[in-house]
Amino acid sequence: AQSVTQLGSHVSVSEGALVLLRCNYSSSVPPYLFWYVQYPNQGLQLLLKYTSAATLVKGINGFEAEFKKSETSFHLTKPSAHMSDAAEYFCAVTRGYGGSQGNLIFGKGTKLSVKP
Amino acid sequence: NAGVTQTPKFQVLKTGQSMTLQCAQDMNHNSMYWYRQDPGMGLRLIYYSASEGTTDKGEVPNGYNVSRLNKREFSLRLESAAPSQTSVYFCASSEGLYSPLHFGNGTRLTVT
Repeated sequence: AQSVTQLGSHVSVSEGALVLLRCNYSSSVPPYLFWYVQYPNQGLQLLLKYTSAATLVKGINGFEAEFKKSETSFHLTKPSAHMSDAAEYFCAVTRGYGGSQGNLIFGKGTKLSVKP
Repeated sequence: NAGVTQTPKFQVLKTGQSMTLQCAQDMNHNSMYWYRQDPGMGLRLIYYSASEGTTDKGEVPNGYNVSRLNKREFSLRLESAAPSQTSVYFCASSEGLYSPLHFGNGTRLTVT
């Protein structure tokens, strides 16, 4: 069965520091993987998605993620944190075969704080 | 462009009361979804509608019903609210089942 584990419910970094948010997945079929961001009192927005075309995926706002099959990981990174990056980040995997977003399994989320 | 609009934004119910959460999208999307978000649990799919006229259960459908009224609107009904249904509810839509999800801003529901 498909599942997603996000390591660390809270991550705190200083402005300008590297952001690394960890996501590991389990999937019995080739996975489609996603990162979403949620700003306070808002819905989720898609940051980036992996659909098997390229292992390094670039998203919005300078974020990128690398799919590593051998490590079953899809960690999210940004070289230099900005105050506006403070939000909650969710990793997700498709439940069924292929890229159907109709049945996504979300991780429990990682709240990112950015210190000035 | 409003995107996905949910009403109401906040609601307090007593145990046993019923209510309907409304969702409308103006992006001409085919697929629509209802999720609930609970602290430390991430988002869990309640029901979804792949296209107008179809609905399917998600991960946590018990205690809920849905109606895909037309292509734009997808409502979620709680027939007899329970405290366990206290949550933030998100509606989302996508062009199809293989397209990115667009979320509304949520409805915060408290059942006392």
